Amino acid sequence: SAVISQKPSRDICQRGTSLTIQCQVDSQVTMMFWYRQQPGQSLTLIATANQGSEATYESGFVIDKFPISRPNLTFSTLTVSNMSPEDSSIYLCSVEDSGGADYGYTFGSGTRLTVV
Amino acid sequence: AQSVSQHNHHVILSEAASLELGCNYSYGGTVNLFWYVQYPGQHLQLLLKYFSGDPLVKGIKGFEAEFIKSKFSFNLRKPSVQWSDTAEYFCAVNDNTDKLIFGTGTRLQVFP
Repeated sequence: SAVISQKPSRDICQRGTSLTIQCQVDSQVTMMFWYRQQPGQSLTLIATANQGSEATYESGFVIDKFPISRPNLTFSTLTVSNMSPEDSSIYLCSVEDSGGADYGYTFGSGTRLTVV
Repeated sequence: AQSVSQHNHHVILSEAASLELGCNYSYGGTVNLFWYVQYPGQHLQLLLKYFSGDPLVKGIKGFEAEFIKSKFSFNLRKPSVQWSDTAEYFCAVNDNTDKLIFGTGTRLQVFP
């Protein structure tokens, strides 16, 4: 399975500021996924990031609020912009692993964001 | 759009009781199905997965799940739960878009 390094692991930010979360994968992957897990909730897909093209956002998420970069096949960033306390969540990146018996998804360890 | 339903939001059991958590999905085509567990304060961990073959799949820690295509279901079971099974359980499905969509989750509490 792929190994994902996600950072920062946690941060406390002032409202109105922005935070950029980074995910580094130890192998080349076509698609990377960004999720949000609000307190006590399930994981909600924010967007899918393909290298060389704009990210595809799910309903309720927009590029201005969550800009994503995907400069190469092993790295992606998610920025949470103009933060408010409602953005306090855990943000996770994920990749789809190779096919066959190892098929599945690997998740980063998450970034716990608190907006004050 | 693909959706995943977990009807049991909160389940409370005593140790040694049997467990079944429901999961239904909406997509009519070929799907891959997953159950994840999140222990308190910890990260997501894969319990088991199904993508082809025997519809009864066995995972870690004594869990199993049965894929019933006609019912669009992938219920999770364990014959005898332990206090250490207290956690949040998430069903997830991906279709031909490769996106993994999660259900709302089920909080399981097991009392000794």
